[in-house]
Amino acid sequence: DGGITQSPKYLFRKEGQNVTLSCEQNLNHDAMYWYRQDPGQGLRLIYYSQIVNDFQKGDIAEGYSVSREKKESFPLTVTSAQKNPTAFYLCASAAGQGYADTQYFGPGTRLTVL
Amino acid sequence: KQEVTQIPAALSVPEGENLVLNCSFTDSAIYNLQWFRQDPGKGLTSLLLIQSSQREQTSGRLNASLDKSSGRSTLYIAASQPGDSATYLCAVIAGYGNKLVFGAGTILRVKS
Repeated sequence: DGGITQSPKYLFRKEGQNVTLSCEQNLNHDAMYWYRQDPGQGLRLIYYSQIVNDFQKGDIAEGYSVSREKKESFPLTVTSAQKNPTAFYLCASAAGQGYADTQYFGPGTRLTVL
Repeated sequence: KQEVTQIPAALSVPEGENLVLNCSFTDSAIYNLQWFRQDPGKGLTSLLLIQSSQREQTSGRLNASLDKSSGRSTLYIAASQPGDSATYLCAVIAGYGNKLVFGAGTILRVKS
């Protein structure tokens, strides 16, 4: 049963804490992406990775960090430097860098800062 | 900088109506355009992908058109059903890395 999984579904963070969101895919995709969605807005790109051990900043990378040590995993850490982290976080993957490669999305993690 | 706008922001229609959702983008140099569906609190499901060399794509009751020169795309939904109620998002790829630029979406409600 192939797909993208994200955990946890809901996450609560206290001020000043770092938290890590998990994203795993078993689609054998090379490319993986992290997006942030705020109410009434479209998705904004945080980080993306096109190959293992390599990743690039997206439009809103400040306060976030990622790693890509395995092809199937692309965890996102929300650091205490992120001023307004409450949002819905979506992970996606695509077969490659081709422009016809559809991005497939996970179910999302809703992060709330208490 | 590429910007994507979707109109209307929200739409409520009775079941059975044919409807059109609009998407516009500021930079016509795109590689492809995708339409996604998002149910409340869920991830995105890809509906249609139109490559820059194509004019339209069809899947069942859905038809998406692309006019690169005018920076516009439309998603046509025929014979709408209550199960079509969701947020519909338009996104374009305009550069290296297969990065998507999204519009804010159209919230569709189909009333039975």
